[in-house]
Amino acid sequence: GENVEQHPSTLSVQEGDSAVIKCTYSDSASNYFPWYKQELGKRPQLIIDIRSNVGEKKDQRIAVTLNKTAKHFSLHITETQPEDSAVYFCAASPNQAGTALIFGKGTTLSVSS
Amino acid sequence: DVKVTQSSRYLVKRTGEKVFLECVQDMDHENMFWYRQDPGLGLRLIYFSYDVKMKEKGDIPEGYSVSREKKERFSLILESASTNQTSMYLCASSLILGPGYTFGSGTRLTVV
Repeated sequence: GENVEQHPSTLSVQEGDSAVIKCTYSDSASNYFPWYKQELGKRPQLIIDIRSNVGEKKDQRIAVTLNKTAKHFSLHITETQPEDSAVYFCAASPNQAGTALIFGKGTTLSVSS
Repeated sequence: DVKVTQSSRYLVKRTGEKVFLECVQDMDHENMFWYRQDPGLGLRLIYFSYDVKMKEKGDIPEGYSVSREKKERFSLILESASTNQTSMYLCASSLILGPGYTFGSGTRLTVV
């Protein structure tokens, strides 16, 4: 089955810096790669996703890149703000009927002002 | 807004008890999922269901079972609760091909 590795487990940056979180996956059949943000005490929420027919996707200060050949994808946050502090999870799935997202172990991002 | 509602926010049960965790979604989603979340281990898939009465094992199904008698409701059952099942349990739902999951608020289960 699918296995998703996520690095780093913790990341501390200064406000205004960029943050990058990287994930690798094992199943070449995976073609859907979402990122979730979980603030303390709250439920995970989808912030951005990418499908395998696209190499990069951007939404304001966040972007995701995908390298299918190398089986890795990354989340990039620019101009970080204190409200970006949260746990971020990557996930992967073949996105077919009867399949489920497999998540990485999460990255705790701390943005200090 | 899709709503995924988990019946209890906090639950304390005794070792050996049979425990039911309930999840209801209101947007006619085909897929429903149960994950457990533990510090440093991320979200691990316990079971999921893509249709009424259908179920699939995830990565850590041991000690758990599920029931999906109606499309909107997906129950997680701990047949005989043990202390190593103390965790945060998250339910989620999605359309048959995504695009993404909507999570419930979670049930923090403590087994004593």
